[in-house]
Amino acid sequence: DQQVKQNSPSLSVQEGRISILNCDYTNSMFDYFLWYKKYPAEGPTFLISISSIKDKNEDGRFTVFLNKSAKHLSLHIVPSQPGDSAVYFCGSSNTGKLIFGQGTTLQVKP
Amino acid sequence: DAGITQSPRHKVTETGTPVTLRCHQTENHRYMYWYRQDPGHGLRLIHYSYGVKDTDKGEVSDGYSVSRSKTEDFLLTLESATSSQTSVYFCAIGSDFWDRYGYTFGSGTRLTVV
Repeated sequence: DQQVKQNSPSLSVQEGRISILNCDYTNSMFDYFLWYKKYPAEGPTFLISISSIKDKNEDGRFTVFLNKSAKHLSLHIVPSQPGDSAVYFCGSSNTGKLIFGQGTTLQVKP
Repeated sequence: DAGITQSPRHKVTETGTPVTLRCHQTENHRYMYWYRQDPGHGLRLIHYSYGVKDTDKGEVSDGYSVSRSKTEDFLLTLESATSSQTSVYFCAIGSDFWDRYGYTFGSGTRLTVV
């Protein structure tokens, strides 16, 4: 039973436009949510996090939104850049260990 | 990231042999994790550790064991390797502020079981 789901395996956007990556979870006890970016042949790198007591967190071009009632979070990247092309993983936790989704491959076209 | 290293980076082994992957950190972080990455499954947690000799199972722990005798080292052992364990394995470390700063992942070990 997958507790964290990223239902879109891939997303393609034009440079300068907004990228929206989505993530759904089933465990209402999750209290922290994190996004990671991964380039080929490298380890994932941390992007941004949000706790369950908030509904929005921003860091530069990256904003994460949390909708607890819908058990849904999203990552917005504005404006998208070709260097943002990577696999994005969302992770959720309630006991200090992160459970990740399947990942979404983002392609930003010049 | 210089604070975490995985060894080996690549390994090919035969079915039925034991294999040990090593994760070494220089950050003195309390938390350490082993994940595997497979197409269509994303990152799945194998085992994790909250401190020396304090380990627990993750989502996909069958066929794997771990040991943490020192803060800096977290070993993952495949007791008898199978082809289904062909994967890329990532170690991660986390401080007490992991919820704000996330885990730091190593560069990965690509394991092929033939």
